[in-house]
Amino acid sequence: GENVEQHPSTLSVQEGDSAVIKCTYSDSASNYFPWYKQELGKGPQLIIDIRSNVGEKKDQRIAVTLNKTAKHFSLHITETQPEDSAVYFCAAADVEYGNKLVFGAGTILRVKS
Amino acid sequence: DTAVSQTPKYLVTQMGNDKSIKCEQNLGHDTMYWYKQDSKKFLKIMFSYNNKELIINETVPNRFSPKSPDKAHLNLHINSLELGDSAVYFCASSQDRGISYGYTFGSGTRLTVV
Repeated sequence: GENVEQHPSTLSVQEGDSAVIKCTYSDSASNYFPWYKQELGKGPQLIIDIRSNVGEKKDQRIAVTLNKTAKHFSLHITETQPEDSAVYFCAAADVEYGNKLVFGAGTILRVKS
Repeated sequence: DTAVSQTPKYLVTQMGNDKSIKCEQNLGHDTMYWYKQDSKKFLKIMFSYNNKELIINETVPNRFSPKSPDKAHLNLHINSLELGDSAVYFCASSQDRGISYGYTFGSGTRLTVV
């Protein structure tokens, strides 16, 4: 089955700096890669996703890149703000075969002001 | 209106008891899920239902039994609760089997077994 590894487990950045979180996956059949943000006491919230036929996707300060050959994908947050502080999860799934998202272990992002 | 709502938000109970968690979604999604988040924040799928049909059943003790009376509801019943069942349980839903639009999660139920 799919296995998703996520690094780093914690990340501290200064407000205004960029943050990068990286994930690798094991199953070459995976073709859908979402990122979720979880704030304290809340459920994970989808912030951006990418399909395997796209190499990069951007939404304002957030971007995701995908390298299918190397089986890794990354989340980039630019101009970080204190409200970006949260736990971020990457995930992977084969949407043609079902809908089971396999999550990475999460990254605690702290943005210091 | 909350898209995916779970009740209760907190549940404290003694070992050996039986408890249920309810989930409802008003998004018109076809598929619903239960995920368990442990103390290290790791999210692991437990079950998935598509239009009341069980389609994913991970390696979960049979003390856990999901029930879906209709496609907008997915409940989780747990028998003979154990200390190791303490976790946050999340319900989620998605558009269809192809997860065209990603999952929408509920706010979670924190279960504490004492």
